[in-house]
Amino acid sequence: AQSVSQHNHHVILSEAASLELGCNYSYGGTVNLFWYVQYPGQHLQLLLKYFSGDPLVKGIKGFEAEFIKSKFSFNLRKPSVQWSDTAEYFCAVWSGTYKYIFGTGTRLKVLA
Amino acid sequence: DTGVSQDPRHKITKRGQNVTFRCDPISEHNRLYWYRQTLGQGPEFLTYFQNEAQLEKSRLLSDRFSAERPKGSFSTLEIQRTEQGDSAMYLCASSSKFQDTQYFGPGTRLTVL
Repeated sequence: AQSVSQHNHHVILSEAASLELGCNYSYGGTVNLFWYVQYPGQHLQLLLKYFSGDPLVKGIKGFEAEFIKSKFSFNLRKPSVQWSDTAEYFCAVWSGTYKYIFGTGTRLKVLA
Repeated sequence: DTGVSQDPRHKITKRGQNVTFRCDPISEHNRLYWYRQTLGQGPEFLTYFQNEAQLEKSRLLSDRFSAERPKGSFSTLEIQRTEQGDSAMYLCASSSKFQDTQYFGPGTRLTVL
């Protein structure tokens, strides 16, 4: 069965630290890849997406992600986090069916 | 673009009662999805509509669950004879094309006592 793994369930960082959240998926065909963010009390919002082309994609609020096909990975990065980045981050994969398959999420807490 | 809206935002019910949730997608989106999210998990797919046609249902959607989209606009998700295991956040999403980004609503949080 297709699956998405997010290895870090809880991450605590100080402001200005660099962030990398891992996402691996299990599907050998063409995929579309997404990172969503859920701020406290808010709904899921799209951070960035990869459909095709340049494997390094840039999203909102200084986030970027790199698609490495050989590693089935789509890791999220940000060079310098801010307190306002405290949220839960979800990786999702679309593999040609109607649905997204989500990872279990990573809770990020940024200390001021 | 007013976004995806869901109503109610919170629902508390007693076991055995029926509940119904509503989702209004982004107006020009003809594709609508329902997901369920439990604590510590990512959203899990429940069902999908293209216009008024329900094209896919997850095996998570037991026969106590039914979803409709009668005129291809808003959708309802009904749970009959609720159980404590139905307690979750029910999310609705919409998109304009098959491969397009799905936009999520704020969800309805169901608590079954």
